[in-house]
Amino acid sequence: KQEVTQIPAALSVPEGENLVLNCSFTDSAIYNLQWFRQDPGKGLTSLLLIQSSQREQTSGRLNASLDKSSGRSTLYIAASQPGDSATYLCAAPNSGGSNYKLTFGKGTLLTVNP
Amino acid sequence: EAQVTQNPRYLITVTGKKLTVTCSQNMNHEYMSWYRQDPGLGLRQIYYSMNVEVTDKGDVPEGYKVSRKEKRNFPLILESPSPNQTSLYFCASSPNPGIRGYEQYFGPGTRLTVT
Repeated sequence: KQEVTQIPAALSVPEGENLVLNCSFTDSAIYNLQWFRQDPGKGLTSLLLIQSSQREQTSGRLNASLDKSSGRSTLYIAASQPGDSATYLCAAPNSGGSNYKLTFGKGTLLTVNP
Repeated sequence: EAQVTQNPRYLITVTGKKLTVTCSQNMNHEYMSWYRQDPGLGLRQIYYSMNVEVTDKGDVPEGYKVSRKEKRNFPLILESPSPNQTSLYFCASSPNPGIRGYEQYFGPGTRLTVT
């Protein structure tokens, strides 16, 4: 059964810092992994879907990497801003690789201080 | 505007009173899914549907029912709600994710309280 862990659970940084959020998964037989953002009281917004063949995926100041062999993915946020404050979740397909069933990490609560 | 809508957004009910949370998407997506989010437990999948009339269990299906009679709608039914079903519920949709995967679009959530 797929297990997804996100470390740290919470992170507070000053504005302008570059930061890395970590996601680890136990079943490496996956073809992709997704990163989401959740604002308080709101639904999830997809940030990046990274395929295992890509190794990295970029969107603006966000860069996600995926290393199946080590069971890890990272989300790099450059030049953080207060508007980046949110909970960031990663999700990996359950065992077997199909994306019909996803397992989510518990998230990293990011606070960017002005 | 492409979106996933859920109704109601907030609901307080009593144990045993049947309820339905509706979910609708306007993107012609084949795949739809229900999740619940609880403090300390994160987001867990309840049921999903690969297409009309095709549904399957997620990780926590007990106490819930779903149906998919139309492509755009995927209601979540609680036949006899209990207090342990108090939670924040999310509906999501995407094109058929298969192996390649597609970005999932989430609804705004339904906060359910069962007393």
